[in-house]
Amino acid sequence: DSGVTQTPKHLITATGQRVTLRCSPRSGDLSVYWYQQSLDQGLQFLIQYYNGEERAKGNILERFSAQQFPDLHSELNLSSLELGDSALYFCASTPSWDRGFNEQFFGPGTRLTVL
Amino acid sequence: GQQVMQIPQYQHVQEGEDFTTYCNSSTTLSNIQWYKQRPGGHPVFLIQLVKSGEVKKQKRLTFQFGEAKKNSSLHITATQTTDVGTYFCAVSPLNYGGSQGNLIFGKGTKLSVKP
Repeated sequence: DSGVTQTPKHLITATGQRVTLRCSPRSGDLSVYWYQQSLDQGLQFLIQYYNGEERAKGNILERFSAQQFPDLHSELNLSSLELGDSALYFCASTPSWDRGFNEQFFGPGTRLTVL
Repeated sequence: GQQVMQIPQYQHVQEGEDFTTYCNSSTTLSNIQWYKQRPGGHPVFLIQLVKSGEVKKQKRLTFQFGEAKKNSSLHITATQTTDVGTYFCAVSPLNYGGSQGNLIFGKGTKLSVKP
């Protein structure tokens, strides 16, 4: 158990819908990262938040957005869903904004299926 | 682009055989991390290499960082069924001029072990 929690574990929805994925980082961790894992693209970085502020963006679509709340939990919002958005979405956390020099602790992931 | 190449994509071995996965970068790396993802699980940090020519061992796992810090390998001696999973290398975008704190993952090597 990494100490990072994600809900829900599974999500099945239809094209055009909007969903929200939730992540709670390890206690004390200020940085949260969202990754998308699909079969053909591997693990792709989406977005990073540090202590409530957006710090970096990766390959995140405009239909996707995220935020980090004062209690440090984060939510990833996916809207106008398409079939290609079906993937595993992982959240990871680190104690600080370490620029990739410390291990990242991954949550169990949310499996999104868009029908 | 910012990319670390990982080979092979798949490896099927008989239990007791050795296994090696390789990561290569076109630029010199400041560090490289290795993660393991069990089937249905999430990435779990294994190790970080920082020094040129560094070799680290974890029981049957041997990790190497090349002298030029452009490549790395993970070698498993006498594989067991518990080694099944996908092994990823990961590097910081700082190595490619980026400033984010996320990780750039290789595509991974999926290891299957036949008992």
